[in-house]
Amino acid sequence: AQKVTQAQTEISVVEKEDVTLDCVYETRDTTYYLFWYKQPPSGELVFLIRRNSFDEQNEISGRYSWNFQKSTSSFNFTITASQVVDSAVYFCALKDPLAGNNRKLIWGLGTSLAVNP
Amino acid sequence: EAQVTQNPRYLITVTGKKLTVTCSQNMNHEYMSWYRQDPGLGLRQIYYSMNVEVTDKGDVPEGYKVSRKEKRNFPLILESPSPNQTSLYFCASSDRDNSPLHFGNGTRLTVT
Repeated sequence: AQKVTQAQTEISVVEKEDVTLDCVYETRDTTYYLFWYKQPPSGELVFLIRRNSFDEQNEISGRYSWNFQKSTSSFNFTITASQVVDSAVYFCALKDPLAGNNRKLIWGLGTSLAVNP
Repeated sequence: EAQVTQNPRYLITVTGKKLTVTCSQNMNHEYMSWYRQDPGLGLRQIYYSMNVEVTDKGDVPEGYKVSRKEKRNFPLILESPSPNQTSLYFCASSDRDNSPLHFGNGTRLTVT
């Protein structure tokens, strides 16, 4: 079965701390795509990153970095020196490889991150 | 600015009163989709469309209709809303397979 698990429901940190959000996925396919989205308190869904299964290089974008490990089926997201503006719900998602033409995403339930001043 | 626009942002209605949530994208994307987001259940796909006049059911289509008469528009229709359709709704679009989905700002619907 295709599944995405975000075991951390809520995380609370103090500003400037580093924080890692975990994402573990299940899929039988060898070719797949993973995504991270951010949902700030205003409610919209903001795309952060896409990763395909053939590219195991870690990605860094400013204070954000992603660690993709096929061996453990994980795609973890780290925020370095967190800021209050990072407070949001973060979703990990897997493009459903069984959905044919449908570009459906299988979503984790999200991790709510609170960064306190 | 490239965007997906949903309207309205908030909607409170009563059981049985037909409503339409509009969705429009200005990116010439072929693919569009509707999701609903509920606490504890995450995001679930309602309907999707591969192109004009091509629509199909997602995981939770019951009680919803869609149409795709033009490439840019993909309205979500609730013919007889019920309280269990109270939810946060998102429209999304993408241009190519495996490309990221671009989401609208969401419509928070309350059915009393």
